Amino acid sequence: EAGVAQSPRYKIIEKRQSVAFWCNPISGHATLYWYQQILGQGPKLLIQFQNNGVVDDSQLPKDRFSAERLKGVDSTLKIQPAKLEDSAVYLCASSLEASGRASETQYFGPGTRLLVL
Amino acid sequence: GDSVTQMEGPVTLSEEAFLTINCTYTATGYPSLFWYVQYPGEGLQLLLKATKADDKGSNKGFEATYRKETTSFHLEKGSVQVSDSAVYFCALSGRQAGTALIFGKGTTLSVSS
Repeated sequence: EAGVAQSPRYKIIEKRQSVAFWCNPISGHATLYWYQQILGQGPKLLIQFQNNGVVDDSQLPKDRFSAERLKGVDSTLKIQPAKLEDSAVYLCASSLEASGRASETQYFGPGTRLLVL
Repeated sequence: GDSVTQMEGPVTLSEEAFLTINCTYTATGYPSLFWYVQYPGEGLQLLLKATKADDKGSNKGFEATYRKETTSFHLEKGSVQVSDSAVYFCALSGRQAGTALIFGKGTTLSVSS
């Protein structure tokens, strides 16, 4: 089965510019996550969707980050305007169950590496 | 809040050596525990998991046991191979809906022949 797809794989922008990332989860997976991984650290959750509803966005910097999941499938994450500290790898993950149970395995995409200059 | 602490890396071993990567956690309730691995140039993938106390997760020769009394989930392998060189992440997830993974900082393992 196809895995989680993300694009682009790499992006370089200047501060104050905007950028968008795209994620296509595994077919049939109800739950979708966006994580931010800063160099030398573990991934940190930005936002979690179940189908097309937001479950947890408590750590999303809403003044500059936004995300949506249309029709409960693909998702986009946008940063506007970008800051230097947004340089990181942005990971998308999906899991099968809509219940969001803690024991569910999450499947990760390859990530988008963002560099803000 | 909930957190995961894992040993600092890098860990450098010779092929066939014994591996231990320590992981301890702080959490309310009874979380599920995971080890994820990231091979060079690839995405994160689940290595093993345990969902309740005393459970042992195992995969590809790696093992980890969920120890509630010591709040630990140490990763072990009896004989490492060069192909095990990767970054290993310990993570936890709570039992309530909406709780995502909380990761440690990762431990880099380098195995030489």
